[in-house]
Amino acid sequence: AQKVTQAQTEISVVEKEDVTLDCVYETRDTTYYLFWYKQPPSGELVFLIRRNSFDEQNEISGRYSWNFQKSTSSFNFTITASQVVDSAVYFCALSGNTNAGKSTFGDGTTLTVKP
Amino acid sequence: DAGVIQSPRHEVTEMGQEVTLRCKPISGHNSLFWYRQTMMRGLELLIYFNNNVPIDDSGMPEDRFSAKMPNASFSTLKIQPSEPRDSAVYFCASSSWGGGDRREQFFGPGTRLTVL
Repeated sequence: AQKVTQAQTEISVVEKEDVTLDCVYETRDTTYYLFWYKQPPSGELVFLIRRNSFDEQNEISGRYSWNFQKSTSSFNFTITASQVVDSAVYFCALSGNTNAGKSTFGDGTTLTVKP
Repeated sequence: DAGVIQSPRHEVTEMGQEVTLRCKPISGHNSLFWYRQTMMRGLELLIYFNNNVPIDDSGMPEDRFSAKMPNASFSTLKIQPSEPRDSAVYFCASSSWGGGDRREQFFGPGTRLTVL
């Protein structure tokens, strides 16, 4: 069985602070895929990034960066110099190599960035 | 690309009525997922299809819920009869899976269902 744990239910920061959202996963698959999605107050779910299990290279995209560590089964998401527009619910998800792309989602972390 | 299209965007109905939600996945995607989201239960996977075939419907809450995918470009989720506890936002998502693709899901805008 697969499991994704986002231990932080809610995080509140002041604008320009850095913030890290934690994601820990469990899977028996040797090949798997990790994702982050953003759900802003408007309600839509937006894909942010995919990381394959065989590629542990970290990624940076503007103010966003992702740290994938297989040794600790973690896929953490850092926002640098947070902005009010970053306020959203962020979901981490895991997909195995079977099941036609079915993903297991974490419960989400609600990030509030105050001006 | 137009993205995943869902209709209607909002639906208000009375208890006991039949509700049909519609989804058009992204062209070329071969997996389709129906989710329900509420404050109490979070994001729940109801059912998903691969190549138009239902793979897992274990998340469908009751026999009142049914889903079909008659072709690669259309799916429906039907609730009959509807109940107030069915009030939620229903999302449809699609992805490309197989042949080396293990891709992310792209979500539609959702249908906000209110059952009075």
